[in-house]
Amino acid sequence: NAGVTQTPKFQVLKTGQSMTLQCAQDMNHEYMSWYRQDPGMGLRLIHYSVGAGITDQGEVPNGYNVSRSTTEDFPLRLLSAAPSQTSVYFCASSYLQTVTASHEQYFGPGTRLTVT
Amino acid sequence: AQTVTQSQPEMSVQEAETVTLSCTYDTSESDYYLFWYKQPPSRQMILVIRQEAYKQQNATENRFSVNFQKAAKSFSLKISDSQLGDAAMYFCAYRSANFGNEKLTFGTGTRLTIIP
Repeated sequence: NAGVTQTPKFQVLKTGQSMTLQCAQDMNHEYMSWYRQDPGMGLRLIHYSVGAGITDQGEVPNGYNVSRSTTEDFPLRLLSAAPSQTSVYFCASSYLQTVTASHEQYFGPGTRLTVT
Repeated sequence: AQTVTQSQPEMSVQEAETVTLSCTYDTSESDYYLFWYKQPPSRQMILVIRQEAYKQQNATENRFSVNFQKAAKSFSLKISDSQLGDAAMYFCAYRSANFGNEKLTFGTGTRLTIIP
């Protein structure tokens, strides 16, 4: 199992450029999510998905789009990059919660994005 | 909305000593999960320990244990026999037990330094 993989590991964009951060998992997890990590602010939820074809907004969704066409993949799109989107981005996945168990969320290695 | 507060931005401890990291949270829910994640310089998010709110017994994992005080909404992490490899950022996180609400709410983190 590769777990949760993210590409690229590092990226530099100019203001106004667009790009897609890739996330894939091979654990057949229903739940996938994207977080951003900024100094002094912990991790904040951008978007999440509870299964193929279903996505929803998290705490800081503006400027980002997601789609979930397969169980394995959950790409994050920046439509027009802004310096405020300079951050470290993490993808995470888990099984959906059952009545009695909260399943561990597995994190990818992160993507460090700089927007100049 | 739930909030998680870590009031110690930085902590340091001598190698082999014990250190306690603090975390408080605010929620109106009665059933939930609490987590401590470790983020070493590699950036990878690693689950250290998990506590179910319905369990009165404090969770332990080898040298890591928690002091869970539900009424006080407090969830501290104790690291015994600190080792150099424990140096990292530590994040406290909250997750609702409601089905379909899998998102994690993180605190702002505590940077732990181990002094040889």
